[in-house]
Amino acid sequence: AQSVTQLDSQVPVFEEAPVELRCNYSSSVSVYLFWYVQYPNQGLQLLLKYLSGSTLVKGINGFEAEFNKSQTSFHLRKPSVHISDTAEYFCAENSGGYQKVTFGTGTKLQVIP
Amino acid sequence: EADIYQTPRYLVIGTGKKITLECSQTMGHDKMYWYQQDPGMELHLIHYSYGVNSTEKGDLSSESTVSRIRTEHFPLTLESARPSHTSQYLCASSAGLPGGEKLFFGSGTQLSVL
Repeated sequence: AQSVTQLDSQVPVFEEAPVELRCNYSSSVSVYLFWYVQYPNQGLQLLLKYLSGSTLVKGINGFEAEFNKSQTSFHLRKPSVHISDTAEYFCAENSGGYQKVTFGTGTKLQVIP
Repeated sequence: EADIYQTPRYLVIGTGKKITLECSQTMGHDKMYWYQQDPGMELHLIHYSYGVNSTEKGDLSSESTVSRIRTEHFPLTLESARPSHTSQYLCASSAGLPGGEKLFFGSGTQLSVL
């Protein structure tokens, strides 16, 4: 069964500092990868996704992620965070076609002023 | 922005009550989903639908049921709520090629069963 691992449940970081949120996936076949963000009291919204092509994917709000097949990773990065980036971030994969999206347990990013 | 709505936003009820969580989307998406979200846990798919009159159970066993009589509407029902049903329920929809499509989520219903 496919699985997504987000090792860090919480990541505190100072404002304007860089951040990396880690994600490892399990699928050994072709895989689609996603990062979603959930702001307080809101639903999840898509930050970025990797389907194929360039391994560096740029998303909204200055975030980017790099697909690394040899390390089965899809880490999310931002060079300089803002207070407004405080949220929970979920990594997800889909390797089963229709509807089989597997989510990680989420990482809470806390930006400290 | 996503046009998918869930009501109520919060619900506190007693054990044994029947409840229906509403979910509607105005995007014309064929596929709709219900996820259960608990703190520190991954989102679990409990129901999905590919279109009108199509419903399937997800990966996580759930005592809830769903219906899809109209494209835009995908309600979830619990016939007899129990404290173990306390959780956040997220509705989502999608369109596009299988596998790579973007999910649009509602704001969720936080259910507390006393």
